[in-house]
Amino acid sequence: GAVVSQHPSWVICKSGTSVKIECRSLDFQATTMFWYRQFPKQSLMLMATSNEGSKATYEQGVEKDKFLINHASLTLSTLTVTSAHPEDSSFYICSASGDTYEQYFGPGTRLTVT
Amino acid sequence: AQSVTQPDIHITVSEGASLELRCNYSYGATPYLFWYVQSPGQGLQLLLKYFSGDTLVQGIKGFEAEFKRSQSSFNLRKPSVHWSDAAEYFCAVGAVTSYDKVIFGPGTSLSVIP
Repeated sequence: GAVVSQHPSWVICKSGTSVKIECRSLDFQATTMFWYRQFPKQSLMLMATSNEGSKATYEQGVEKDKFLINHASLTLSTLTVTSAHPEDSSFYICSASGDTYEQYFGPGTRLTVT
Repeated sequence: AQSVTQPDIHITVSEGASLELRCNYSYGATPYLFWYVQSPGQGLQLLLKYFSGDTLVQGIKGFEAEFKRSQSSFNLRKPSVHWSDAAEYFCAVGAVTSYDKVIFGPGTSLSVIP
């Protein structure tokens, strides 16, 4: 149980375009979802926390207008990188938690902006 | 301030040798603690977790960790390392309440010599 999926697993987009990444909890209801960013050979940095039906809480330094997060249902959260630039290229990982305080992580999405 | 430190950036061990990865944390509330492993280009896999109770916790793949409150440490150990254990290891800490974010350490890269 407690499986989290991400789609796509890998995406390449051109500079200036937007890309959407989906995070789904497959077998539980995720009241809270978290989005992380990981640069090569670095740790995970929390970008934002989202609770179902409410606005996301962004960490300091994360541009909320650039990284749009929507948590419209108890099983789906999306991260949209708007007007992507090469410096946005990174590994994006989501996690989800339900009734317990344990987070279950998705497999990650590698974004490459050309 | 809440933080997690992993003093060893990179460790190399011989296959069959014992392993200990260090983790120290600074957290104002009662912590819950995790160790995750990440293979290149992959998501996170939970090795073990500590919420309460016995301070020596057993995890998957033969790993164990010991919580020492007096030292604010949660070191990961394995008695005999296998070549497949080569990966990045992250220690993480969170509060014992729902929906709180988890803070990750910088990670320790493990190399295994055949």
